[in-house]
Amino acid sequence: DVKVTQSSRYLVKRTGEKVFLECVQDMDHENMFWYRQDPGLGLRLIYFSYDVKMKEKGDIPEGYSVSREKKERFSLILESASTNQTSMYLCASSQFRGSRNTIYFGEGSWLTVV
Amino acid sequence: GENVEQHPSTLSVQEGDSAVIKCTYSDSASNYFPWYKQELGKRPQLIIDIRSNVGEKKDQRIAVTLNKTAKHFSLHITETQPEDSAVYFCAAWGGTGANNLFFGTGTRLTVIP
Repeated sequence: DVKVTQSSRYLVKRTGEKVFLECVQDMDHENMFWYRQDPGLGLRLIYFSYDVKMKEKGDIPEGYSVSREKKERFSLILESASTNQTSMYLCASSQFRGSRNTIYFGEGSWLTVV
Repeated sequence: GENVEQHPSTLSVQEGDSAVIKCTYSDSASNYFPWYKQELGKRPQLIIDIRSNVGEKKDQRIAVTLNKTAKHFSLHITETQPEDSAVYFCAAWGGTGANNLFFGTGTRLTVIP
């Protein structure tokens, strides 16, 4: 069974703080993703990575960066958190690059920026 | 890039009735269309998917249909039960060379006992 683990389920951070959200998958998947989920907006892609040290921007990359130093780990970084980044963040992975791949999600990280 | 629209945003049905959720997509090169169910406080989980060489797929009480010409696909849930209450997301794998899924905005289904 595929397991995608997000280290923090609930975080409260102050405006201007640097925030790290960590994600680990245990199935040797090539692709990893970070989505943001907001009511009425669905799931929006922030960044994805198809290989170690590779990254590509999604639909809403502004204010975020990512790091993929190891295949199993994909980190989302908020360099200077702002209140409009209060949201639920979902990490996901899929086996291969390209289409026809099932994406598996982590449990989500609820971030509140005050 | 791909644009996926999903309707309705909310849907209430009586237990035992059927529920239908519809999605349209913009990129004719998209070829994989999964549906995810997200229960309150939990992760989205794949419930069924369909690929572009198939027009319909069924798994017990759920089915998905795909019309490639019209670029729309639908989720059908029959004999709904209270545990079907959740948010459902459609998605489309975007086009040639694309490497990610594009999601609809979700439908909150409530099954009334």
